[in-house]
Amino acid sequence: SQQGEEDPQALSIQEGENATMNCSYKTSINNLQWYRQNSGRGLVHLILIRSNEREKHSGRLRVTLDTSKKSSSLLITASRAADTASYFCATTLGGNNRLAFGKGNQVVVIP
Amino acid sequence: GAGVSQSPSNKVTEKGKDVELRCDPISGHTALYWYRQSLGQGLEFLIYFQGNSAPDKSGLPSDRFSAERTGGSVSTLTIQRTQQEDSAVYLCASSPGTGRETQYFGPGTRLLVL
Repeated sequence: SQQGEEDPQALSIQEGENATMNCSYKTSINNLQWYRQNSGRGLVHLILIRSNEREKHSGRLRVTLDTSKKSSSLLITASRAADTASYFCATTLGGNNRLAFGKGNQVVVIP
Repeated sequence: GAGVSQSPSNKVTEKGKDVELRCDPISGHTALYWYRQSLGQGLEFLIYFQGNSAPDKSGLPSDRFSAERTGGSVSTLTIQRTQQEDSAVYLCASSPGTGRETQYFGPGTRLLVL
């Protein structure tokens, strides 16, 4: 079953604007990760936030985690056309670190 | 260095045929994962290897699906008697091992069963 659920599902923004997407999950987690997928193929790891962290930054990315609400958000600042992609959150389950993915957000950045 | 590679990139097969999908993980990565991405089900975990052993096969959807890994490296996912619902993108990922959570994904194999 899907662990995470993102909201909204699709987002269309102008280049330079910020994009925010959310993810919720149902069980306790070790960590939560965000991945990007271009053109329906391989996923690229963006950022990992551990369960004892509340916020993390990486370049133009900012991730927050609220374990009390079992939710996370991904903010992309100053978006670029190259940020057009699908974004998935994933939580790790168990000691084998298998990923449980959410449904994904489609982000379109209009030049 | 080289990333995770998968072959073939695309595979079209007829219902009832067997298919083999290959994954070459990053050299030295002991953990290997197979996932499936389909329109109806999203991204689903299939199987996890640590070395050549598969301690977690819980995501394999039926006994038509099997996978093996040899030499702690290459893995093959086999689907026997393919069905149309097997059509999906099959993604492989590897990671350095226990405690290293980031997984590195290959480009996937797009399987279409006619």
